[in-house]
Amino acid sequence: GAVVSQHPSWVICKSGTSVKIECRSLDFQATTMFWYRQFPEQSLMLMATSNEGSKATYEQGVEKDKFLINHASLTLSTLTVTSAHPEDSSFYICSASGQLYGYTFGSGTRLTVV
Amino acid sequence: GESVGLHLPTLSVQEGDNSIINCAYSNSASDYFIWYKQESGKGPQFIIDIRSNMDKRQGQRVTVLLNKTVKHLSLQIAATQPGDSAVYFCADKKNEKLTFGTGTRLTIIP
Repeated sequence: GAVVSQHPSWVICKSGTSVKIECRSLDFQATTMFWYRQFPEQSLMLMATSNEGSKATYEQGVEKDKFLINHASLTLSTLTVTSAHPEDSSFYICSASGQLYGYTFGSGTRLTVV
Repeated sequence: GESVGLHLPTLSVQEGDNSIINCAYSNSASDYFIWYKQESGKGPQFIIDIRSNMDKRQGQRVTVLLNKTVKHLSLQIAATQPGDSAVYFCADKKNEKLTFGTGTRLTIIP
């Protein structure tokens, strides 16, 4: 079946630094990847949608200059949280979708900004 | 699904009993619905899906019911087991995007 690998699974960074999260589809080509953010005891909120080779489409209220998304190949998308602040601490989850497979989620990345 | 940032509702069920988790969605144009299970610290795991041209679909120990008239989705889990304890989310698809519901925390009591 479809597998999506997300790395790292957790990261702690200092306030003001940038953090990159990778999302890879291991056994299928993901034409579209989605990035979600989830705060404790809450639902997943879509941040942005990225299609391979195109600029990401951000949801309302999500700062595109703060959350940089790159989808350079059909198997890799990255989310970079720039100039991270404590309020950016959250659980970030990617999802990949392709022709053969629907929405497969990564295992998530717990970001803690101190 | 309707996600308004509220804290998760909870449901406690005795092991072996059946559980029903409900979800409301807001977009009448949604054409595809999915139930996910999320364990602590992990990503959502696919359970079962249903297209808008159906009103019921069954899997192993799970059944999804769709009522388009009232925009309501339910997940029935039969003979619950301790491993079913998790948070369950419904999601509906429109224009290739999934919108997640609030979620329900299911706790199985031994």
